[in-house]
Amino acid sequence: DAKTTQPTSMDCAEGRAANLPCNHSTISGNEYVYWYRQIHSQGPQYIIHGLKNNETNEMASLIITEDRKSSTLILPHATLRDTAVYYCIVREYNDMRFGAGTRLTVKP
Amino acid sequence: DAGVIQSPRHEVTEMGQEVTLRCKPISGHDYLFWYRQTMMRGLELLIYFNNNVPIDDSGMPEDRFSAKMPNASFSTLKIQPSEPRDSAVYFCASSSTDRGWENEQFFGPGTRLTVL
Repeated sequence: DAKTTQPTSMDCAEGRAANLPCNHSTISGNEYVYWYRQIHSQGPQYIIHGLKNNETNEMASLIITEDRKSSTLILPHATLRDTAVYYCIVREYNDMRFGAGTRLTVKP
Repeated sequence: DAGVIQSPRHEVTEMGQEVTLRCKPISGHDYLFWYRQTMMRGLELLIYFNNNVPIDDSGMPEDRFSAKMPNASFSTLKIQPSEPRDSAVYFCASSSTDRGWENEQFFGPGTRLTVL
């Protein structure tokens, strides 16, 4: 079973920041937080991951709370092509369990 | 790099037939994963290999499913005999541990299997 809880769906206006929350209250010290997304009919695509510190790459930023029990994925300027299902995953080694994810719809 | 390659992209077969799905991982990657995605169960890990050796097959649903990796550039997932409940999208993914186990997995485009 997935160790994360995410909202089922969210909307975001094009050009605005999309903030996707994730709860992982049972995360252990060795487990990383990963984010993937899946655009319709495609394979999941890696976005970002982190252990304790906040992370940023060309796609997104990941904010992890100090107690590591929750995190937020930020897409700074959402575009229509960011419409997808976003999965938050707690991972230790190769045990990567996908939950239901958040369906993000970016609207013009 | 062409990414992870899967074939066929679509497969329609009849119940009882043997089905073979194929995967070519990204060159140089030492891990290969097979996943299955259905509406009911979401995305599930079936089995994964490290350096061509199966490490964990606890996700394989039953004996009708088998997976092999004869070399670093090829893997197969076989279902024999197939059943309608096997209808799903099957994804292959690969990753490299050159920088540690936490490297991201790269997914292929998937094979959509329909068993009639």
